[in-house]
Amino acid sequence: DQQVKQNSPSLSVQEGRISILNCDYTNSMFDYFLWYKKYPAEGPTFLISISSIKDKNEDGRFTVFLNKSAKHLSLHIVPSQPGDSAVYFCAATNAGGTSYGKLTFGQGTILTVHP
Amino acid sequence: DTGVSQNPRHKITKRGQNVTFRCDPISEHNRLYWYRQTLGQGPEFLTYFQNEAQLEKSRLLSDRFSAERPKGSFSTLEIQRTEQGDSAMYLCASSPNYEQYFGPGTRLTVT
Repeated sequence: DQQVKQNSPSLSVQEGRISILNCDYTNSMFDYFLWYKKYPAEGPTFLISISSIKDKNEDGRFTVFLNKSAKHLSLHIVPSQPGDSAVYFCAATNAGGTSYGKLTFGQGTILTVHP
Repeated sequence: DTGVSQNPRHKITKRGQNVTFRCDPISEHNRLYWYRQTLGQGPEFLTYFQNEAQLEKSRLLSDRFSAERPKGSFSTLEIQRTEQGDSAMYLCASSPNYEQYFGPGTRLTVT
């Protein structure tokens, strides 16, 4: 069963506009969420995270929003740049439990930012 | 650069052969994870070490897979009697807390 889902396989955005990537989860034990960016032939790079005690976290151009009641999170990139073109993965974990921080990932969304 | 390193970056092997991959984590991180990623999917958890202790293994990790982390430093992942279904990217990550930092991965191709 897919506990973390990214339902949009791809997203195309114009440079300078906002990119919004979405993620849904089903496991109510998840309490810590992360976004990773991956370029071809490289490992995932950590971008930003959010704890379930918050509903928003910002870091520069990246903002993550968490809606616990809907079990939904989103990553906003403003303004989008061509260098942001990559695969974006949403991940979740039960930080407070006995899962030892293991991450459950979504399938990824390919973001393309056009100049 | 003191990030996570993995060797080799690519490995091509024939079905039935054994392979071993190495991961060198960020030195001050006591948590180390192995994941496997296939095309079009996100990484899937395989196993976790806290220092030298292997604390969790996924059911994806069959008896042909074994991992070690002697002295809580580098880690190795061995696959015995490889099968074509083992072809994937094997990723290692280390962590001081909940944010995991990944290496570049080892791409395994079993022919």
